[in-house]
Amino acid sequence: QVQLVESGGDLVKPGGSLRLSCAASGFTFSDYYMSWVRQAPGKGLEWVSYISNMGITTYYTDSVRGRFTISRDNARNSLSLQMNSLRAEDTAIYYCARDWARRSRGDAFEVWGLGTMVTVSS
Amino acid sequence: QSVLTQPPSVSAAPGQKVTISCSGSYSNIGRHYVSWYQQVPGTAPKLLIYEDIKRPSGIPDRFSGSKSGTSATLAITGLQTGDEADYYCGTWDSSLSGGHVVFGGGTRLTVL
Repeated sequence: QVQLVESGGDLVKPGGSLRLSCAASGFTFSDYYMSWVRQAPGKGLEWVSYISNMGITTYYTDSVRGRFTISRDNARNSLSLQMNSLRAEDTAIYYCARDWARRSRGDAFEVWGLGTMVTVSS
Repeated sequence: QSVLTQPPSVSAAPGQKVTISCSGSYSNIGRHYVSWYQQVPGTAPKLLIYEDIKRPSGIPDRFSGSKSGTSATLAITGLQTGDEADYYCGTWDSSLSGGHVVFGGGTRLTVL
């Protein structure tokens, strides 16, 4: 079945780095744009980053641009988020999400993982 | 402050209809498709509506979306206790550098 499984969440000190991964299965990974969406404790959804299906185009929310890098390995059906210079406000559950549209940006997320928790605290 | 404005909470009795509004501007809702998500606390969000009015496979027709100008609405008919959840609208916003996905602040639905 269609599935996304995130990993890599951890407790990290401010200024530290972390790399999140998302393993995809059950669909042709290289056909879909992918995103990371986060949710701080008790707060709403916040989109973080988008990557095109072939990895050529990326988008970031302003608060993470220059600190986070999204990437993908279509041969391994894997999505990653490299997070540097982490801040307390980056504390959140990070969800990996797949677009509904094939080979284009549909701006709606049809498949979600269960999320991985990132805590930034000294 | 969210770019898209939703009411913090709505409530209705089982079997009734409820609507949730999502207000934006020309650079987001006015120019781009709107999606809606349901999130039961402690679980991942679920896509209910995309491209303003379309439902993914498996979403019952009790859920419907509409849009007019810079506002969108999610309607839920025949309310069930299982519909109690947080609901979020989302869309693309092309006013910001390179464009962004934006979400509303969320609406908590209580089925009385």
